[in-house]
Amino acid sequence: DTEVTQTPKHLVMGMTNKKSLKCEQHMGHRAMYWYKQKAKKPPELMFVYSYEKLSINESVPSRFSPECPNSSLLNLHLHALQPEDSALYLCASSQTAPGLINEKLFFGSGTQLSVL
Amino acid sequence: KNEVEQSPQNLTAQEGEFITINCSYSVGISALHWLQQHPGGGIVSLFMLSSGKKKHGRLIATINIQEKHSSLHITASHPRDSAVYICAVRGLYGNKLVFGAGTILRVKS
Repeated sequence: DTEVTQTPKHLVMGMTNKKSLKCEQHMGHRAMYWYKQKAKKPPELMFVYSYEKLSINESVPSRFSPECPNSSLLNLHLHALQPEDSALYLCASSQTAPGLINEKLFFGSGTQLSVL
Repeated sequence: KNEVEQSPQNLTAQEGEFITINCSYSVGISALHWLQQHPGGGIVSLFMLSSGKKKHGRLIATINIQEKHSSLHITASHPRDSAVYICAVRGLYGNKLVFGAGTILRVKS
């Protein structure tokens, strides 16, 4: 199994809603990532978890709250989002901790989020 | 100036043509990645390079560390190769990827 699975694929939410994005991998990877991608732009790193601990937070607003319940699962909890948060949210994983040289990233298909 | 520059930004080719996408970077790196993203979102890692050349099927990636330049070649292009191709680098001491803006490739039949 070389897949990173993200659910849901599409999500529409209002600014007062609370929702969660889910990411799962069963490759035994110990690093997991959340990226945000606006249309026609490259992905922007949001968070990195290494061995289930948050190792990087790229100054992301607190309305985005990541959680790593175990080594296979990564969640992104959303609350009081703004319309400008509408984007594709991509999850990725890698075998080793970030910063090691020979690290290949495996990406999920993303969740397309629309905030109304 | 971005740390990672890709050219061209857009590329339209006829089926069967040989395609080259270029990536230049301005910092010392430990690895360079070529990624493919189809409409609909998912990103696939094509190559990870730190030196030399790699080949997978019709795809070839090369890197020249001294010139800080990498190329992605597609031989015998096909409409299913239509996608955005993204170059990303990891700095010598960094733990994050820096992405280029991507090259939008369209292969017409």
